[in-house]
Amino acid sequence: GAGVSQTPSNKVTEKGKYVELRCDPISGHTALYWYRQSLGQGPEFLIYFQGTGAADDSGLPNDRFFAVRPEGSVSTLKIQRTERGDSAVYLCASSPHGQVGELFFGEGSRLTVL
Amino acid sequence: DQQVKQNSPSLSVQEGRISILNCDYTNSMFDYFLWYKKYPAEGPTFLISISSIKDKNEDGRFTVFLNKSAKHLSLHIVPSQPGDSAVYFCAASVEGNTPLVFGKGTRLSVIA
Repeated sequence: GAGVSQTPSNKVTEKGKYVELRCDPISGHTALYWYRQSLGQGPEFLIYFQGTGAADDSGLPNDRFFAVRPEGSVSTLKIQRTERGDSAVYLCASSPHGQVGELFFGEGSRLTVL
Repeated sequence: DQQVKQNSPSLSVQEGRISILNCDYTNSMFDYFLWYKKYPAEGPTFLISISSIKDKNEDGRFTVFLNKSAKHLSLHIVPSQPGDSAVYFCAASVEGNTPLVFGKGTRLSVIA
């Protein structure tokens, strides 16, 4: 399809394990965002890429979280030493330009840490 | 501290009537506001936006009103339809400068 694609749609892991979540944005969109949505909350900003570089990573909660976008298209969110509090839906969004406006979201990756 | 607040977690409206969803914000630097709609197991989808230079924006059945002095915006849906049943998120930013900040959402149920 032509929308934002996220894999896996569901991931169950054990506390302490390493997890990677992948986002494939809409073709041609230069801006890519990662958000996290916990139960009963709105999406919470994590990191924003403009091209290959992280333009704003102020939302990453700690150094266990890292994201890359090496070729300016697909992005991977990496979580080390997962904790139960990391359980949430991780949403990726893209937009055609860097200026904040309408974001196109994927369906999200639901992470459950046991 | 929540910069964007949606104080009603849920709202129930009869089909054909008006739905009014409210949103308050605390950051006076916000100058661009959006509403997103989310169905279960789907990502949020953009609905309507408004810039702070306007006080109203209309798109079909959806109208957003902005009251800058009160730091308040509202989304009106008229007439409400069962397919409008979803969670609605209010979001705000300093245009071109900061990522969107979202509220907690309001679950709208339109009853046939």
